[in-house]
Amino acid sequence: LAKTTQPISMDSYEGQEVNITCSHNNIATNDYITWYQQFPSQGPRFIIQGYKTKVTNEVASLFIPADRKSSTLSLPRVSLSDTAVYYCLVVLEGNYGQNFVFGPGTRLSVLP
Amino acid sequence: GAGVSQSPRYKVAKRGQDVALRCDPISGHVSLFWYQQALGQGPEFLTYFQNEAQLDKSGLPSDRFFAERPEGSVSTLKIQRTQQEDSAVYLCASSSETGGRQPQHFGDGTRLSIL
Repeated sequence: LAKTTQPISMDSYEGQEVNITCSHNNIATNDYITWYQQFPSQGPRFIIQGYKTKVTNEVASLFIPADRKSSTLSLPRVSLSDTAVYYCLVVLEGNYGQNFVFGPGTRLSVLP
Repeated sequence: GAGVSQSPRYKVAKRGQDVALRCDPISGHVSLFWYQQALGQGPEFLTYFQNEAQLDKSGLPSDRFFAERPEGSVSTLKIQRTQQEDSAVYLCASSSETGGRQPQHFGDGTRLSIL
């Protein structure tokens, strides 16, 4: 059964760098890895997307090794407002075609 | 508006009733997705449309769940004879391309409570 794994929770302090890793053993060959942030009572909000190596935007970086079986979201200098749940979304090759699969989510708590 | 809009935001129904949830995607977006999110869990895929064609409905939990997108824009998720286990947040997302090559943009969901 195709699936992804993430740490359940992480704690950090303001100003620190946070790295969250998602493992996805059976990723589809041509599809991208996407990370989302979700606050209570809101839909997931897009953070960053990548296919391989490293992608950086104004809020985060995404590191993807050559085998693409994992990806790491890096949040530089987190603030209290970054407290949220973070999900990876990948397209996995299943027995009956491609599956859009969210990770179980990592609850990040940023402390003052 | 510029984003994905879902209505109603909250829906309470008695067990056995039928419900319909609406999604207005971002204008011009080809792909539309429905997900179910139980409390404290990640979203789980239900179904996927490319324009008006339903390409994948493998995630629909039973034949009580039905989704349509007749004109390739607005979509409706219908649940017949609701059960308590249907209580969840139903999320809709749209994307400008097919598959997973462009980000999905999500609405804030419909919270469904079955009494």
